[in-house]
Amino acid sequence: EAGVTQFPSHSVIEKGQTVTLRCDPISGHDNLYWYRRVMGKEIKFLLHFVKESKQDESGMPNNRFLAERTGGTYSTLKVQPAELEDSGVYFCASSQAGGLGTDTQYFGPGTRLTVL
Amino acid sequence: AQSVTQLGSHVSVSEGALVLLRCNYSSSVPPYLFWYVQYPNQGLQLLLKYTSAATLVKGINGFEAEFKKSETSFHLTKPSAHMSDAAEYFCAVSDTGGFKTIFGAGTRLFVKA
Repeated sequence: EAGVTQFPSHSVIEKGQTVTLRCDPISGHDNLYWYRRVMGKEIKFLLHFVKESKQDESGMPNNRFLAERTGGTYSTLKVQPAELEDSGVYFCASSQAGGLGTDTQYFGPGTRLTVL
Repeated sequence: AQSVTQLGSHVSVSEGALVLLRCNYSSSVPPYLFWYVQYPNQGLQLLLKYTSAATLVKGINGFEAEFKKSETSFHLTKPSAHMSDAAEYFCAVSDTGGFKTIFGAGTRLFVKA
């Protein structure tokens, strides 16, 4: 069974440009999460999808970030326009049933974003 | 709000020595607690999780962690370190809603030959 995949693995862009990150969850997983780790800091929650619906987007930093999950399968996270402080590693995770007490979140390898 | 503190951003042990990675949490309700490991160029992998069934939790690769409510701790241990254990380890707690994970800052483990 394939794990969570993310594309690209690395992205280097200039300030003001747009970048789109993609996450493919494990097949059949309704729950999809985005997290971000800024250099030297904690991994922070960004948002949670249940199928195609945003369940919780309380961690999204600002309106330059837009996440979508059309059709309830893969998800994209767009940053437009990118700023220097957006640099970091963006992780995606998926889980089957939701609810951490009974379910496990499986993480992808992350996308390392560098904004110059 | 829930939070996690990992003591020591870097820990170095000799091969064969005890591994002890410290984690303290704050939570107003009984938490779910986790340890994740990240090997180079890989995603986060769940080592073990505490969900109130037993205070001593055994995980993969010989790791275990003990939940101590009185100390609000969930330290990770392994009796004998292997070179392959070199990685970054994250302690985490679940949000009261049970969905989002709150992570500590991570501890990088170095294993010396």
